[in-house]
Amino acid sequence: AQSVTQLDSQVPVFEEAPVELRCNYSSSVSVYLFWYVQYPNQGLQLLLKYLSGSTLVKGINGFEAEFNKSQTSFHLRKPSVHISDTAEYFCAVRTNYGGSQGNLIFGKGTKLSVKP
Amino acid sequence: DAEITQSPRHKITETGRQVTLACHQTWNHNNMFWYRQDLGHGLRLIHYSYGVQDTNKGEVSDGYSVSRSNTEDLPLTLESAASSQTSVYFCASSDGAWLNTEAFFGQGTRLTVV
Repeated sequence: AQSVTQLDSQVPVFEEAPVELRCNYSSSVSVYLFWYVQYPNQGLQLLLKYLSGSTLVKGINGFEAEFNKSQTSFHLRKPSVHISDTAEYFCAVRTNYGGSQGNLIFGKGTKLSVKP
Repeated sequence: DAEITQSPRHKITETGRQVTLACHQTWNHNNMFWYRQDLGHGLRLIHYSYGVQDTNKGEVSDGYSVSRSNTEDLPLTLESAASSQTSVYFCASSDGAWLNTEAFFGQGTRLTVV
């Protein structure tokens, strides 16, 4: 079965500092990887996705993520965060395996708190 | 613009009552999903559907049911609400034809069972 591990439940960081939110997945088959963001009292919004090809994926709001197949990781990065990036971030995996194809499996989320 | 809407946004109900949460999407997506979000657990899949008349159990399906009579709607029913079902519920949809497409989420329903 597929699973997603987000190693940090909370990440505090100062404004304009760089940030990395870590995500590891377990799957022996081809995967599609996603990062979603949830602002307070809102639904989830897609930040970026990895399908195939270049391992460095750029998303909205200056975020990017790097797919590393050998380490089964898909870490999210931003070189300089803003107060408005304060939100919860979810890593998710989707596979084409068996009857559960199309289902998104989520990590437990990482709360990013940007301080002035 | 196409969208996915959930109703109600907030609901308080009593233990033992039957509750139905609505989800309506205008994307014409085949796949629809219900998740619950709880502190420390992230989002967990309750039920999902790959098309009309198709429903499947997810990770935490006990006490919940869904039905899919048309493409647009996937209502979630709590047969007999329990305090453990106090949570925020999210509905999502995605294009069934392409695994690499994103899922679109509703704004969520905050359910409190007292």
